Amino acid sequence: DADVTQTPRNRITKTGKRIMLECSQTKGHDRMYWYRQDPGLGLRLIYYSFDVKDINKGEISDGYSVSRQAQAKFSLSLESAIPNQTALYFCATSDFDRPYEQYFGPGTRLTVT
Amino acid sequence: GQSLEQPSEVTAVEGAIVQINCTYQTSGFYGLSWYQQHDGGAPTFLSYNALDGLEETGRFSSFLSRSDSYGYLLLQELQMKDSASYFCAVRDQGTGGFKTIFGAGTRLFVKA
Repeated sequence: DADVTQTPRNRITKTGKRIMLECSQTKGHDRMYWYRQDPGLGLRLIYYSFDVKDINKGEISDGYSVSRQAQAKFSLSLESAIPNQTALYFCATSDFDRPYEQYFGPGTRLTVT
Repeated sequence: GQSLEQPSEVTAVEGAIVQINCTYQTSGFYGLSWYQQHDGGAPTFLSYNALDGLEETGRFSSFLSRSDSYGYLLLQELQMKDSASYFCAVRDQGTGGFKTIFGAGTRLFVKA
């Protein structure tokens, strides 16, 4: 079984809809991250969490919110989706001892029409 | 502000050696990582340098010069399966604690 899983893997939604992307991990890591990837722009950090009670904004948090329901679960929400949020979204985890080594989930391809 | 620069594309021949450079500008530099991503896949961690010098892991090596704000990834004995995108990423300490900032990626094409 995959260590970092994301659901859904693909989603098409309409402008204005609320959508939640979910991430679960079995690695036992305390740190979790949400990134979006756009062609030619690499990975940009949306939010990150060092434990259940510690959530921080990344480079591009506007229009997004997150919830860390448990050490193993980190959800990303788009309260009112807009077309320029069409992207590939990755969840990642890392351990306290090796925070620079991030393990990525398979990604969620989101299309907002 | 924070910025990372790496070439957008590199092409090399199977069996050759290729170097992918990364220059960075950050306020709280802590270390430089490299990730590989195949088309349709997730990024996977390759290496990390916190100190100046060369780190070797099999066919891949990574170098860091903190004084020059520069690093590179060296791939030896290139194989077709090395065709992928390679991202450098800075571990940066800011007001919100540590975070990782990725470059835009270098697409490596390996030709037979």
